[in-house]
Amino acid sequence: NAGVTQTPKFQVLKTGQSMTLQCAQDMNHEYMSWYRQDPGMGLRLIHYSVGAGITDQGEVPNGYNVSRSTTEDFPLRLLSAAPSQTSVYFCASTTGRGGSAQHFGDGTRLSIL
Amino acid sequence: DAKTTQPTSMDCAEGRAANLPCNHSTISGNEYVYWYRQIHSQGPQYIIHGLKNNETNEMASLIITEDRKSSTLILPHATLRDTAVYYCIVRVGGTSYGKLTFGQGTILTVHP
Repeated sequence: NAGVTQTPKFQVLKTGQSMTLQCAQDMNHEYMSWYRQDPGMGLRLIHYSVGAGITDQGEVPNGYNVSRSTTEDFPLRLLSAAPSQTSVYFCASTTGRGGSAQHFGDGTRLSIL
Repeated sequence: DAKTTQPTSMDCAEGRAANLPCNHSTISGNEYVYWYRQIHSQGPQYIIHGLKNNETNEMASLIITEDRKSSTLILPHATLRDTAVYYCIVRVGGTSYGKLTFGQGTILTVHP
């Protein structure tokens, strides 16, 4: 079982560049989320989606865009990368049923120079 | 979602039980208690969850007090590979399913 797959695993960008972090899940989960984790800190929610075509902002949405055209995919776009966005990014999915657990990907380690 | 309070760090000897406490005194009746852990810089891993009753699975046991204001995660025979940050999260259902609020968690160090 693939579960939640994130690509790339590592990326280095220059300030001002744009890129898309990919996230795909093969469990037919309705709910998907993006988190960032800075060194020594817990995870913070960036954006989430409760189904195809529906997205909403989390705790730290500025500088990021998302879309959800299919159930399987939930890409995260950095429009103009800034050093403050250097972080580890995790994607997660869940069924949405009461008491369901979230499944996380292995993360994308992003450095902005 | 209810706020949780966990100790910053704990130690445990290999082979002994690790008991990780969590306070969630403002929990409401429809909120579940979840435990996740994060080993080094990997993605968080789901451990166990419960609503009212104690729960057990192949990884751990979850003990929830009768008033639901606190809980304890028990790793019955801790190994070195259980060294990780453990997060206790209280969460409602509905459209917040996709949102988990992570605190600082408890750093569990298992010693040989």
